[in-house]
Amino acid sequence: QKEVEQNSGPLSVPEGAIASLNCTYSDRGSQSFFWYRQYSGKSPELIMFIYSNGDKEDGRFTAQLNKASQYVSLLIRDSQPSDSATYLCAVGGNFGNEKLTFGTGTRLTIIP
Amino acid sequence: SAVISQKPSRDICQRGTSLTIQCQVDSQVTMMFWYRQQPGQSLTLIATANQGSEATYESGFVIDKFPISRPNLTFSTLTVSNMSPEDSSIYLCSVYLWTSQETQYFGPGTRLLVL
Repeated sequence: QKEVEQNSGPLSVPEGAIASLNCTYSDRGSQSFFWYRQYSGKSPELIMFIYSNGDKEDGRFTAQLNKASQYVSLLIRDSQPSDSATYLCAVGGNFGNEKLTFGTGTRLTIIP
Repeated sequence: SAVISQKPSRDICQRGTSLTIQCQVDSQVTMMFWYRQQPGQSLTLIATANQGSEATYESGFVIDKFPISRPNLTFSTLTVSNMSPEDSSIYLCSVYLWTSQETQYFGPGTRLLVL
């Protein structure tokens, strides 16, 4: 049984600070890793994906992957109130058309 | 980028009835996925729908309860049959789309309340 674990939070971060979200996964064969943002009442929105060990940066977002430790994280720099949402970590197999296993999500609140 | 739409966006249904949810994508895709998100929970995959073949159901989900159709490469339906209050959830369809990599995108969801 593949498992993806996240701290459910809530995680409160002051505006302008760095928010750090963490995720661990059980299936060592996992190849693809995704972070989705979900606002209350809305569907998940893809914000980052990463396939290789190391860091991947996109604007204020950085995804970090460590396959040896089976750990993936998301850093949000210069946090804004609009970043307040639930962040879902999802893990998949080989590239393309693979079903994803989702974590339970971390609720992030940015405090003005 | 492709657009994914779902109908209805929300519905309130009586126990024992059935509801069919439609998912339309404006580009052809091989596989479509149906998820359920119960209140306060994460996403659980119900089934994977390929065009021209029977859907593949995940553990805990059966075809009699959640029949799926996939008549072409841009459309799928999920029926929630003989509903009970425990079926109250958000139902989401998703597809893989090629941007810089193949990544999975979600439709807007169908919010179902069963009384």
